[in-house]
Amino acid sequence: DTAVSQTPKYLVTQMGNDKSIKCEQNLGHDTMYWYKQDSKKFLKIMFSYNNKELIINETVPNRFSPKSPDKAHLNLHINSLELGDSAVYFCASSPQLSTDTQYFGPGTRLTVL
Amino acid sequence: QKEVEQDPGPLSVPEGAIVSLNCTYSNSAFQYFMWYRQYSRKGPELLMYTYSSGNKEDGRFTAQVDKSSKYISLFIRDSQPSDSATYLCATQIQGAQKLVFGQGTRLTINP
Repeated sequence: DTAVSQTPKYLVTQMGNDKSIKCEQNLGHDTMYWYKQDSKKFLKIMFSYNNKELIINETVPNRFSPKSPDKAHLNLHINSLELGDSAVYFCASSPQLSTDTQYFGPGTRLTVL
Repeated sequence: QKEVEQDPGPLSVPEGAIVSLNCTYSNSAFQYFMWYRQYSRKGPELLMYTYSSGNKEDGRFTAQVDKSSKYISLFIRDSQPSDSATYLCATQIQGAQKLVFGQGTRLTINP
C-alpha cells in the first residue's frame, strides 16, 4: 500500500521541452506539497495545496504550474525546461494545514539535457 | 544566510558509536522541530518531532532543542549500519504551512 506515489520515477528530457509529474496520496489528507531537492540535498518547498486550493507559492518561476484535480492528486507541469530544473522533485502530504508531519513520496529524478 | 544551517558532512563513524547531528536556526519564531531520515534514492521520512525546547527520546534516538541558543540536535546511540542515511533537520513556525529544512547531513555507519 503506497501512501504517496509519484510518476514517473525518472525523467530525462531535452531543454525547452514541457513535462509533467503526477502525485497521488491515499491517506485521505487535505494538504499536498511539492518540494525540490537540489544536488546538494537541499530540500525546499515550492507549492502547497489545501483541498485543491493553492496556499503556498514560493516564488517559483511561472514555468512551473501545479494542478490539483482533487485533494488526493497534485500534479506538476513544467514548461520550457531549463538545465537548472534538474533535481529530484518530491511530493508530500499532511492531514491538514499547519501540521508537523508530512509524508513524502519516493521522488522524481528529473534530468534536463 | 539560510534560515536553517546544517553541516552536510559526510560523517563516517564505526558501528556502535554515538552519533551527534546538529542544526542551528536564525528565526526565533520557529517552534516545531523535526528530524527526517532519507535513505539513498528515497523520500524523507519523519524520525523525531519536538515542540519548543527540551528532549525527546525514542529508542536509540534522542532529539534535543535549545531555543535560547537556537540549536537542535539528534543523538543516535549504538549506531547501526542501517542508520546510514542523510538526516535532515526541519523547523516550522506555529500556524505556518511550510517546513524549512536544513541541507542534510550524510551519515555512514561502518560495520
